[in-house]
Amino acid sequence: AQKVTQAQTEISVVEKEDVTLDCVYETRDTTYYLFWYKQPPSGELVFLIRRNSFDEQNEISGRYSWNFQKSTSSFNFTITASQVVDSAVYFCALSVLYSSASKIIFGSGTRLSIRP
Amino acid sequence: DGGITQSPKYLFRKEGQNVTLSCEQNLNHDAMYWYRQDPGQGLRLIYYSQIVNDFQKGDIAEGYSVSREKKESFPLTVTSAQKNPTAFYLCASSPPGQGPYEQYFGPGTRLTVT
Repeated sequence: AQKVTQAQTEISVVEKEDVTLDCVYETRDTTYYLFWYKQPPSGELVFLIRRNSFDEQNEISGRYSWNFQKSTSSFNFTITASQVVDSAVYFCALSVLYSSASKIIFGSGTRLSIRP
Repeated sequence: DGGITQSPKYLFRKEGQNVTLSCEQNLNHDAMYWYRQDPGQGLRLIYYSQIVNDFQKGDIAEGYSVSREKKESFPLTVTSAQKNPTAFYLCASSPPGQGPYEQYFGPGTRLTVT
């Protein structure tokens, strides 16, 4: 069975601080995909990144960076120099290759609040 | 613009009534999904469909029904059998081909049943 754990329920930091959101996953499959989504107050989930299990390179996109470590089954997300607009609920998710319909298992989310 | 639309944004119903939530996409995606989100929780899969006229139950299908008569449309009916229907409902779709691919989400419908 697959599982995604986001142990941090809520995080609050002051603007311009760096913040890391933790994600730990469980799967017995060797081929799998990991995702991060952002859910702003409007409610719509916004896709941020997809990473497959064979690509352990870290990725940086502007102020966002992702650290994938298979040895610890973690896929952590760091926001550098946080801004108020980063305030949202962030979901980590996992999917395995069953068919063309991608069943994604979501973590419970981390609510991030950035204080001015 | 391409995307997923869900209507209405807010929906209120009396207990015992069936209600249908709309989901339309113009992304030419084959697969579509319905999720339920409760306060402070992640998303739980209700139903998904890989192609027209085909759909499968997700993790919490009891009390819900769907249809997929057109590629663009995947409506969800919340029946009176659903014991706790008040929730935020999200529709999503994903591109064709060998996935799994990221899913693209609509803006959601917040259903309140009293």
